[in-house]
Amino acid sequence: EVQLLESGGGLVQPGGSLRLSCVASGFTFSSYAMTWVRQAPGKGLEWVSSLTNSGGYTYYADSVKGRFTISRDNSKNTLYLQMNSLRAEDTAVYFCARGLEGGARVFDYWGKGTLVTVSS
Amino acid sequence: EIVMTQSPATLSVSPGERATLSCRASQSVRSNLAWYQQKPGQAPRLLIYGASTRATGIPARLSGSGSGTEFTLTISSLQSEDFAVYYCQQYNNWPPGTFGQGTKVVIK
Repeated sequence: EVQLLESGGGLVQPGGSLRLSCVASGFTFSSYAMTWVRQAPGKGLEWVSSLTNSGGYTYYADSVKGRFTISRDNSKNTLYLQMNSLRAEDTAVYFCARGLEGGARVFDYWGKGTLVTVSS
Repeated sequence: EIVMTQSPATLSVSPGERATLSCRASQSVRSNLAWYQQKPGQAPRLLIYGASTRATGIPARLSGSGSGTEFTLTISSLQSEDFAVYYCQQYNNWPPGTFGQGTKVVIK
């Protein structure tokens, strides 16, 4: 059974940093592109960042480019999102998601999410 | 960036009735469109990709159609588990893979 489990969320002050993790199980992690998608409270879904199965290519939404870094450790079946210079508008539930059929554009399995709150 | 517009924002339907949800793209996305379902407090679930291909385990009462800029998700006979928010997502011009704002299906 495919499982994705996010952690690392919490309350952080504006300008602060946080690192999210997503541990994968039930599939060959190194064969799949992975993605972070976020959802602000009461709002819709927003794609944040993706990276290829090897981690060789990374992609970012303009809203986070230069502040967030996506990475993975295939030996630990873990996806990361390093978030720096956090802003109030980054407050959201952050989901990690697996790419359908190995690609990065459609997401066939999602974790339950971890809440990031940016507030003073 | 392609803008995805879903209508209506809220759809009120009785159990057993048919529901039709619309999604419009600001420019052609060919057939590179997915639909997701999200229930309160849960992660989204992939329903449809390639505009009309059902994902694994998705029942046949859910179907997708369309291409270019106009797309439809149809639920032929609403069951209790279908009351949720539905999002479309284009992935033709990627990144970013833009989502619509969602359609909430509620019990009439």
